[in-house]
Amino acid sequence: GQNIDQPTEMTATEGAIVQINCTYQTSGFNGLFWYQQHAGEAPTFLSYNVLDGLEEKGRFSSFLSRSKGYSYLLLKELQMKDSASYLCAAYSGAGSYQLTFGKGTKLSVIP
Amino acid sequence: DAGITQSPRHKVTETGTPVTLRCHQTENHRYMYWYRQDPGHGLRLIHYSYGVKDTDKGEVSDGYSVSRSKTEDFLLTLESATSSQTSVYFCAISGEGTGSYEQYFGPGTRLTVT
Repeated sequence: GQNIDQPTEMTATEGAIVQINCTYQTSGFNGLFWYQQHAGEAPTFLSYNVLDGLEEKGRFSSFLSRSKGYSYLLLKELQMKDSASYLCAAYSGAGSYQLTFGKGTKLSVIP
Repeated sequence: DAGITQSPRHKVTETGTPVTLRCHQTENHRYMYWYRQDPGHGLRLIHYSYGVKDTDKGEVSDGYSVSRSKTEDFLLTLESATSSQTSVYFCAISGEGTGSYEQYFGPGTRLTVT
């Protein structure tokens, strides 16, 4: 089966750094995705980790530890527009590239 | 942005009526997916397609059927809508090839069943 856990809500201050954690237990694992979803909009792709370690993309970085079943998304220099839900999703490696999504973490950035 | 559209964007319907949602892509991607998103549940896979006329069930397929007669179109049908199917429905597409596992989402359809 698939089980993905992430915090329901987080609050952080503009200009700060925030880390959103995700733990997963899946019957197969071949990669971990992060998506951003603003209220009332579609999810948009942020990052994909298949190997252990940190992947950096501008203000956003994503980390994966396959042995620990753990990932995090790191957002630096927070801006008000970063207020959104962040979705963690695991790819099992099965055919058709199916993803299993966590319930999402709603991040509120405050002045 | 990937070329994915969904229609209608909003729909209100009555319990017991059939409803069809359409997803259209211009990317020629092989894989297409239908999800529903509800508070407290996140995104849940309803059905997916891995080619024309090739479809399979996802996690929450009861009460839904799909069809894909062309690469670009993937239809989701609620045979007899129920209030529990009130939700936001997202279509997604995915290509194949090295590293092309990410899914791109359409704008969503907000369906209300009264």
